[in-house]
Amino acid sequence: EADIYQTPRYLVIGTGKKITLECSQTMGHDKMYWYQQDPGMELHLIHYSYGVNSTEKGDLSSESTVSRIRTEHFPLTLESARPSHTSQYLCASSVGKGKKHQETQYFGPGTRLLVL
Amino acid sequence: KNQVEQSPQSLIILEGKNCTLQCNYTVSPFSNLRWYKQDTGRGPVSLTIMTFSENTKSNGRYTATLDADTKQSSLHITASQLSDSASYICVVSDRGSTLGRLYFGRGTQLTVWP
Repeated sequence: EADIYQTPRYLVIGTGKKITLECSQTMGHDKMYWYQQDPGMELHLIHYSYGVNSTEKGDLSSESTVSRIRTEHFPLTLESARPSHTSQYLCASSVGKGKKHQETQYFGPGTRLLVL
Repeated sequence: KNQVEQSPQSLIILEGKNCTLQCNYTVSPFSNLRWYKQDTGRGPVSLTIMTFSENTKSNGRYTATLDADTKQSSLHITASQLSDSASYICVVSDRGSTLGRLYFGRGTQLTVWP
């Protein structure tokens, strides 16, 4: 099992609240990713990072932001949560240098977010 | 348009039976194809990875095949167990862009009944 962790596992919050989803990995991977997954649908990449101080937006437009101050941490923040943000958020990491995403990605258990 | 299509969308089988899941893709140029298993409430876990030159690869009771000419892959599960109940996701990566992005299927939801 991969050493990648996400907290909280479940979060129910009201509209307008600021939230931060935590993701950490102990494998020393340079690359980290955030995906959004709705039930029965494919994963959509919303953010990724090649290393410290490197972050880029993914394919799916998202109002969230990320930071990568340390190799092992890649938190995702929503400044003002809305019901449309209700989804499952999966964090992943992969080994390797460079900008390609072709290495096997190791996923965390996910955070299920419900915004009322 | 999703470039990775999986079938069936869901499947119910009895414990001990075999099953085959399908994945068709249009991603080009092709780099590799992975099958992931995602248990309910968990993140996906990689089962197999196949490159262009590989036709078959096994991981225990899981056997993946790849036909790069027809752009089809299958995942065969032998002697199914209750713990095989999960979503199986096909993921294809390309080598054409500098990003080497991943294309995800929607998964096949497999339920194994006792």
